[in-house]
Order: sequence, then C-alpha cells, then structure tokens
Amino acid sequence: AQTVTQSQPEMSVQEAETVTLSCTYDTSESDYYLFWYKQPPSRQMILVIRQEAYKQQNATENRFSVNFQKAAKSFSLKISDSQLGDAAMYFCAYSRRGNKLVFGAGTILRVKS
Amino acid sequence: DAGVIQSPRHEVTEMGQEVTLRCKPISGHDYLFWYRQTMMRGLELLIYFNNNVPIDDSGMPEDRFSAKMPNASFSTLKIQPSEPRDSAVYFCASSSWTGVDTDTQYFGPGTRLTVL
Repeated sequence: AQTVTQSQPEMSVQEAETVTLSCTYDTSESDYYLFWYKQPPSRQMILVIRQEAYKQQNATENRFSVNFQKAAKSFSLKISDSQLGDAAMYFCAYSRRGNKLVFGAGTILRVKS
Repeated sequence: DAGVIQSPRHEVTEMGQEVTLRCKPISGHDYLFWYRQTMMRGLELLIYFNNNVPIDDSGMPEDRFSAKMPNASFSTLKIQPSEPRDSAVYFCASSSWTGVDTDTQYFGPGTRLTVL
C-alpha cells in the first residue's frame, strides 16, 4: 500500500524568509502524481502545486516550488518570500492515475511577522 | 466555474438521526471523491465514483454509510443512523481524466458534521 510521511508536525518561518516542508512516500508504481495542498483555518483544501512523476523538471508556481527526487521518493515544498497568508496546515499527497489521494499527516506552518 | 459545491456547510444532529450530505462536482469532471477528516485519522477516502459508477468503497466505515451518484452533477453521502463518532469534516472532490490538470482533485468547502 502507498504511504505518505510528513516528519515535521510543525514549522515556523519569519515573514519574507524561505521555508522547506518535507515529504517522503512509498510506492512500487512508476506512474503517479504528487501534490501539496494547503488548509487554512477556513478548512478549505487548496491546491498549491502538482508534480507528475514522469517529469524530471521540478514544478513551480510563483513563490512555491518543489524538489522532486524520484529515486529517493522525496517531494519537498519550498516557499520563498513567506507571507502571513501562507500560515496554514500543509498536506503532501500521492495518487495513481484515476485513483484516490493518499495524504500525509500534515505540517502546520506558522509565519512570524 | 463555481468549483465543487457542498451542502450543508454545517450540520448538527442527534444520535440516531439520518444525515444527508450533498455534492455538486465541477462541470465536466468525471471523477468524484468523498473524504472524511478527523483529528485521529486525518484525511481518508470513503468512496469514489467514475462516470457515476462507484469504483472503490473500501473506506466506507460500515453499513450505516451509503453514497449515490444518480447523475454527473450530483452525489449524496448518507449516514443512517448517525453516531457521535461520525462527527468530522466531510469533503467532496472532483477531477478530470483529461486536460492540462488531469487527475488533479479540487475540493469543496467541506461539511462539518456534529452528532450529539
């Protein structure tokens, strides 16, 4: 069975600084997707970034980028120029094509002003 | 697009009552997922549909839970009878098999269910 592990229950970052959230996963599949979702206090699950496993190039979305290491089964999220609005719970998730998301336990990110 | 729509946003009920949660997926999406979020178990899949057909219901806790998708634009999750341990946030999500964001699941705002 696929599993996703987020080893950092909580992280803090100073406003305007950079922070990296860690995620590892376990799968025997070669074709899959990886995601980072953000959940602010409103509970809404917001897609942050998406990576297709067959693509070697790391995905980027404005201040958000990933470091995807397929062989190591690692998928970390880097947030640059952190803003107060980035404070939230961040979930790493895995899915195979046309299948359910498997989530990690989440990392709470606090942003200090 | 309005995104995934869920109703109600909050539901408070008493043990033993029937609860029905509703979901309207994004137009054109052919997958629909129901997830439950609790402090103890995190986010977990209950059931998902492809083209209105249930594909995997292995996450449905027990016979008290049932889900239907009568058409491409509507799904329900029903709990009968409800129990206090069913208290959680229930999310609906949808995705498409085709397009630039293939297999990317977009979530509704969730329904917070409290069973007293």
